Amino acid sequence: KQEVTQIPAALSVPEGENLVLNCSFTDSAIYNLQWFRQDPGKGLTSLLLIQSSQREQTSGRLNASLDKSSGRSTLYIAASQPGDSATYLCAGGSNNNDMRFGAGTRLTVKP
Amino acid sequence: EPEVTQTPSHQVTQMGQEVILRCVPISNHLYFYWYRQILGQKVEFLVSFYNNEISEKSEIFDDQFSVERPDGSNFTLKIRSTKLEDSAMYFCASNRAGDLSPGELFFGEGSRLTVL
Repeated sequence: KQEVTQIPAALSVPEGENLVLNCSFTDSAIYNLQWFRQDPGKGLTSLLLIQSSQREQTSGRLNASLDKSSGRSTLYIAASQPGDSATYLCAGGSNNNDMRFGAGTRLTVKP
Repeated sequence: EPEVTQTPSHQVTQMGQEVILRCVPISNHLYFYWYRQILGQKVEFLVSFYNNEISEKSEIFDDQFSVERPDGSNFTLKIRSTKLEDSAMYFCASNRAGDLSPGELFFGEGSRLTVL
């Protein structure tokens, strides 16, 4: 089973800054890795999915990378905005049946 | 845009009572999941369901829990004899993955269970 860790637990940045969120996982035979956003009291919104055969995915100001050999994924957010404030979660699976989550990084973007 | 829907959004129950949480996954999805998130803690995997049977379950998913797909659209989580520590947000998710490729997990908004 994947064990997923996210660092840092919390991050505060001024508006406009570029930032990187980190995710590490234990099983290099990862099947897929997905990044989510969670607003307080809300569900999880999918941001990006990276399949094991891929190295990165991009959507707008977001770019996620996957390095299986080092057991790491990063989520890069360009030109951060106050509306980006949320908790960002990564989840990794060794198959379709079992995606495991990290504890998340709580991001605050200050105006 | 298709979405996963969950009911109820919030349920309050007395300890020892049975609870059924309901989910309608996205219609062409094949894999269904339940996760839970205790307040302030990480999202925890409970169970996955594929082809009308449980594919995998975590150590949390003991005999107190059961899942069912009673018809072609609903996916339910039953918690028998609820305990105080079952208080959490329960999330349903679905995935259109095929055998050869992983799919994107889509989550519902969650059902908040409060056990008194």
